[in-house]
Amino acid sequence: KAGVTQTPRYLIKTRGQQVTLSCSPISGHRSVSWYQQTPGQGLQFLFEYFSETQRNKGNFPGRFSGRQFSNSRSEMNVSTLELGDSALYLCASSLSGQGKNTEAFFGQGTRLTVV
Amino acid sequence: AQSVAQPEDQVNVAEGNPLTVKCTYSVSGNPYLFWYVQYPNRGLQFLLKYITGDNLVKGSYGFEAEFNKSQTSFHLKKPSALVSDSALYFCAVSSLYNFNKFYFGSGTKLNVKP
Repeated sequence: KAGVTQTPRYLIKTRGQQVTLSCSPISGHRSVSWYQQTPGQGLQFLFEYFSETQRNKGNFPGRFSGRQFSNSRSEMNVSTLELGDSALYLCASSLSGQGKNTEAFFGQGTRLTVV
Repeated sequence: AQSVAQPEDQVNVAEGNPLTVKCTYSVSGNPYLFWYVQYPNRGLQFLLKYITGDNLVKGSYGFEAEFNKSQTSFHLKKPSALVSDSALYFCAVSSLYNFNKFYFGSGTKLNVKP
């Protein structure tokens, strides 16, 4: 069974540009969450999508957005990139997140560097 | 508000000795508690979880954790450490109404020396 796939693995962008990251969840998983990992702030929740709807949102500016498609694949977009957006972006998928099935499987992440 | 504290940035242990990585949490209502491990340049790998039931939870690779409600702790333990256990460990908490919104601790780097 394939795991969570994130593409690309590495990305270098210039300040002011925008970027789109992709996440393909485990087959059958309907929930996709995104996290930002930085040395200073640690792991921070960005948002969660379930059945194409944003179900939860963290405390990030509107420059960070996402969406989920009917096949549960998700994309995350960051507009007007800032140097501080340099981070490892992790995607996690789970069946639904209820009760005993609450278990998230993470992808290997996309390392974004903003120069 | 929900939060997780991992009081030790680093834990050093000799191979074959028992290890403990500490975690305390704060959450409204009943907590869902998790441990994840991260190897360099990799994502997070699930180790174990506590949702309900027995306070002692057994997970992958010989790890276990004990849920202590009165002390709001969920310490990760292993009876005999391996060099290959050296990695970054994260404790996380979520709740009934925000299942997949994890609050992570700052992480503890475990160093197991031969």
